[in-house]
Amino acid sequence: QKEVEQNSGPLSVPEGAIASLNCTYSDRGSQSFFWYRQYSGKSPELIMFIYSNGDKEDGRFTAQLNKASQYVSLLIRDSQPSDSATYLCAVKVGNFNKFYFGSGTKLNVKP
Amino acid sequence: GAVVSQHPSWVICKSGTSVKIECRSLDFQATTMFWYRQFPKQSLMLMATSNEGSKATYEQGVEKDKFLINHASLTLSTLTVTSAHPEDSSFYICSAKGGTEAFFGQGTRLTVV
Repeated sequence: QKEVEQNSGPLSVPEGAIASLNCTYSDRGSQSFFWYRQYSGKSPELIMFIYSNGDKEDGRFTAQLNKASQYVSLLIRDSQPSDSATYLCAVKVGNFNKFYFGSGTKLNVKP
Repeated sequence: GAVVSQHPSWVICKSGTSVKIECRSLDFQATTMFWYRQFPKQSLMLMATSNEGSKATYEQGVEKDKFLINHASLTLSTLTVTSAHPEDSSFYICSAKGGTEAFFGQGTRLTVV
């Protein structure tokens, strides 16, 4: 499988702080990039996706993509305890529409 | 977002038996569905890509004769784990491609005893 790497964490931030999650990928043919949140024992849920270089903002979430450096990041502003979960980075490669996932970063937001 | 329903949510079966898991896209047509497996504290591992009306494409290392996939309609794909063994115990998750995004089912916790 295509390599998608994430720091497993856990990443601990205080409530109200900015959480920064990073992901790198190896296949330059990757076209689309997704961030999913997964609570323990549950299926992943889509947070946001990004296709173009730069930033994309949606509420408290900002995705950042740098194709030249092959990394994508997710910023969570005003972090809440309910944001505590594992965040999965996924990339879609080529015409096969396959999604490959990183191992996930566990985020703990402390009240 | 679109709704993908997966059934059952959990199942316990005896070693050597077969288990079928269903994945349905409820409010959209999915020409492509994906099946993943997730072991504890690990990420989702893509098992196979299921295309409506054609044979599934399996990832390297996944036994196609053990994990039978059928995608008979635009809204239903099934995964059958044949002759299940305890090492097949895992969290199986389907996703359906709707447009450019993939939406996940609730997952099926399979325990083989």
